[in-house]
Amino acid sequence: GENVEQHPSTLSVQEGDSAVIKCTYSDSASNYFPWYKQELGKRPQLIIDIRSNVGEKKDQRIAVTLNKTAKHFSLHITETQPEDSAVYFCAASKTGKLIFGQGTELSVKP
Amino acid sequence: EAGVVQSPRYKIIEKKQPVAFWCNPISGHNTLYWYRQNLGQGPELLIRYENEEAVDDSQLPKDRFSAERLKGVDSTLKIQPAELGDSAVYLCASSSGTGDNEQFFGPGTRLTVL
Repeated sequence: GENVEQHPSTLSVQEGDSAVIKCTYSDSASNYFPWYKQELGKRPQLIIDIRSNVGEKKDQRIAVTLNKTAKHFSLHITETQPEDSAVYFCAASKTGKLIFGQGTELSVKP
Repeated sequence: EAGVVQSPRYKIIEKKQPVAFWCNPISGHNTLYWYRQNLGQGPELLIRYENEEAVDDSQLPKDRFSAERLKGVDSTLKIQPAELGDSAVYLCASSSGTGDNEQFFGPGTRLTVL
C-alpha cells in the first residue's frame, strides 16, 4: 500500500529564517498532496495543497513543490514567525484516501 | 458556517468497557472519515463514508470496532470491548463531493483506556 515518509521529525529555526520539510511517497498513482498544520491539542488544518498536474504552488509565506518523477514533495515556509510553531503533516492521496506522514514538529525561536 | 462537531471531547474508560464517539459533519458534506491518531503520529484512516455507504473500511479492526452513518449525516464510531492499545485521539473529518477535496477535521475525542 501507499507509504509516506516525512523528514525531519523535529526542526528548530530562528524567527525570520526559512523552514523546509520533505516528504516522499511510494504510490506513483497518488495525485493530491495536502499539508496540514496541527497545534498542540487542536485539530489538523489544511495550509496548502498541490495536485499532480502542478509543480509548484505558493500562498504568501508558504510554498509547496512536487517532483513526480522522484515521488517527493516539500513544504517551504519563509520568514518564519513564532506562531508557525506546530506539527506539520504531509499526506498523499488518490481517490480520496489520505495517507499521512509521521509529522514534523517545527519550533520557531524568537 | 459551523465546523465538524465531535463529542465527547475526552473519555476515560476501563479496559473491556464499550465506548462510542459521535460526529456531525459540515452541512452538505457527503463524505465522512474517521481517523485514529496515536501520540506523535499522523492520522490513520479507519473508515470512509460516501453518504450512507462505507466505501473504505479496510483499516477498521472489525472484531471490536463498528461504525454507522444513518441517513448520510451524523456518524458514530464504537469500540467494544476497548483495549489498552485503543488509547488515542479519534478524529472525524468531512469533505464535499467525492475524490480528493479538502478534508475538514473535527476537534477529536481523546480516549484513555485504563
